[in-house]
Amino acid sequence: ELKVEQNPLFLSMQEGKNYTIYCNYSTTSDRLYWYRQDPGKSLESLFVLLSNGAVKQEGRLMASLDTKARLSTLHITAAVHDLSATYFCAVDILGGGADGLTFGKGTHLIIQP
Amino acid sequence: AAGVIQSPRHLIKEKRETATLKCYPIPRHDTVYWYQQGPGQDPQFLISFYEKMQSDKGSIPDRFSAQQFSDYHSELNMSSLELGDSALYFCASSSEWTGSEAFFGQGTRLTVV
Repeated sequence: ELKVEQNPLFLSMQEGKNYTIYCNYSTTSDRLYWYRQDPGKSLESLFVLLSNGAVKQEGRLMASLDTKARLSTLHITAAVHDLSATYFCAVDILGGGADGLTFGKGTHLIIQP
Repeated sequence: AAGVIQSPRHLIKEKRETATLKCYPIPRHDTVYWYQQGPGQDPQFLISFYEKMQSDKGSIPDRFSAQQFSDYHSELNMSSLELGDSALYFCASSSEWTGSEAFFGQGTRLTVV
């Protein structure tokens, strides 16, 4: 059974600081996703990471993937209040097709002025 | 660009009633997924369809069923509703032509009273 673990689950930080969210998964996967969710809203796709060593950046967010360590990170640089949300990583089991995603528990991020 | 459309957006039902949720995928997407997200929880994969055939099954209760129709829209049928079925239900769609990245709809909030 595929397990996806995120940490931390809760994170309160000040604007302007940097921090990293970690996502570990238990079995081989061919793709890893990061999503953002605001309360009661849909899941917004942030990054899709497809290969070992993949790094993607969008604004103050940067995601990376190490398939050998089965680890992905989401790094936040100089946080701003608008980034407050819950961030999920999700993993697709190797083999693709129409497999559902397995999500981590989510990291509830609060950025304070 | 067209997104995944779900209806209704909100639904209130009594225990033991039935509910039908609808999902209209992004045009030319051939795969549809259903997820359930309880309050404060991560999304749980229920079921998926590829080219109108059931593809993968997750933690979908026996009281629930789903299908994908010839126009690719999908319906999730839920019977004998229980209080614990209260959740956000998301539909997502993808296409192998776009790298199989799943795009989520706005969700249907089901409240069972």
